[in-house]
Amino acid sequence: DAGVIQSPRHEVTEMGQEVTLRCKPISGHNSLFWYRQTMMRGLELLIYFNNNVPIDDSGMPEDRFSAKMPNASFSTLKIQPSEPRDSAVYFCASSSTAPGNEQYFGPGTRLTVT
Amino acid sequence: KNQVEQSPQSLIILEGKNCTLQCNYTVSPFSNLRWYKQDTGRGPVSLTIMTFSENTKSNGRYTATLDADTKQSSLHITASQLSDSASYICVVSEGTSGTYKYIFGTGTRLKVLA
Repeated sequence: DAGVIQSPRHEVTEMGQEVTLRCKPISGHNSLFWYRQTMMRGLELLIYFNNNVPIDDSGMPEDRFSAKMPNASFSTLKIQPSEPRDSAVYFCASSSTAPGNEQYFGPGTRLTVT
Repeated sequence: KNQVEQSPQSLIILEGKNCTLQCNYTVSPFSNLRWYKQDTGRGPVSLTIMTFSENTKSNGRYTATLDADTKQSSLHITASQLSDSASYICVVSEGTSGTYKYIFGTGTRLKVLA
């Protein structure tokens, strides 16, 4: 298995532009997570999907952020409009839902908003 | 408030030496504790997982300990190698959420010098 796939790996955009990050989870996993990592705050959960349904979006910072999971093999995280404080590394992770099952992380997307 | 604190923030050691990283948590109820290794530019990868009843777990040169009474964990690296240079993140799963909710420490940055 190729693991969790994320694209793009790097994104540089100007303030105010729309940004879309993409994730393909590991085949057979039915839980998907979006995280943001910064030096100051470490890894923070943004949103959790189970069987394509958003279960916990309490970590989504504000209405500028939205996430979708139209099917079991694809998810997007969109920021519109982007701001410089959104600059971070965004990780997607997936897992199966057996108790205690490990989350497998993708390589991340490094977002820079100028 | 559920928190995971790690020390030291950063550490430099010579190749071949041993080191120990610390993790204190206040997550309740506790489900399990993981140590992740994150290489620069990559996503975190799980090294060990321990439940409440386990007090030690090894993975090659990595040995994790858990004291559930004092809510402390440590990761001991034996005979360090240059490839051990990475961030090590302590992650505690909160027990009421079906174990999906990870509480992350901010990590210890380890640098191994030749």
